[in-house]
Amino acid sequence: RKEVEQDPGPFNVPEGATVAFNCTYSNSASQSFFWYRQDCRKEPKLLMSVYSSGNEDGRFTAQLNRASQYISLLIRDSKLSDSATYLCVVYMNRDDKIIFGKGTRLHILP
Amino acid sequence: NAGVTQTPKFHILKTGQSMTLQCAQDMNHGYLSWYRQDPGMGLRRIHYSVAAGITDKGEVPDGYNVSRSNTEDFPLRLESAAPSQTSVYFCASSYPERNTEAFFGQGTRLTVV
Repeated sequence: RKEVEQDPGPFNVPEGATVAFNCTYSNSASQSFFWYRQDCRKEPKLLMSVYSSGNEDGRFTAQLNRASQYISLLIRDSKLSDSATYLCVVYMNRDDKIIFGKGTRLHILP
Repeated sequence: NAGVTQTPKFHILKTGQSMTLQCAQDMNHGYLSWYRQDPGMGLRRIHYSVAAGITDKGEVPDGYNVSRSNTEDFPLRLESAAPSQTSVYFCASSYPERNTEAFFGQGTRLTVV
């Protein structure tokens, strides 16, 4: 099993809809989790951290399920500007290792 | 407030040539890292540094060297470029607690022919 796995997509979603992505990780020692977004031919940008209790930032909600070893990102009322690739990132403190997923492509359709 | 600045943005190199990719940050971050991003793969860390004078190997260090003489700069050197090093290179900086990369530079697109 790969260390971090994401559905590559693309997810084609109409504007205003809700969309959710999952990301699974294989190492139960993983300690910190994050979502980044990356626009085409641009650098990744930190979107939000992911906590077990769940956290929300405007239209974005992130959740961590340690028992099933996955994290999720929910985008409500999607905007055209949400079109991007979303990267899941796992950090393992013991090994000081950061693993980036390959990303999920999202296209918001007008 | 520039953040993380990488130069050059694009470059074409011939096999066997050497080159240094520059990375500079102005946020006084201790941690700096170099990544490469290839089609169909996640970003992979090449080398990183926790402070001036200290560097460590990441997951794909072969063919690359780094140095850290001060807080601001973290150059990545390719001594003898190979076509397999064709990639997009990103420099990233981190907060002191260091559990993820806070800021990335805009990237350097390097082609080795």
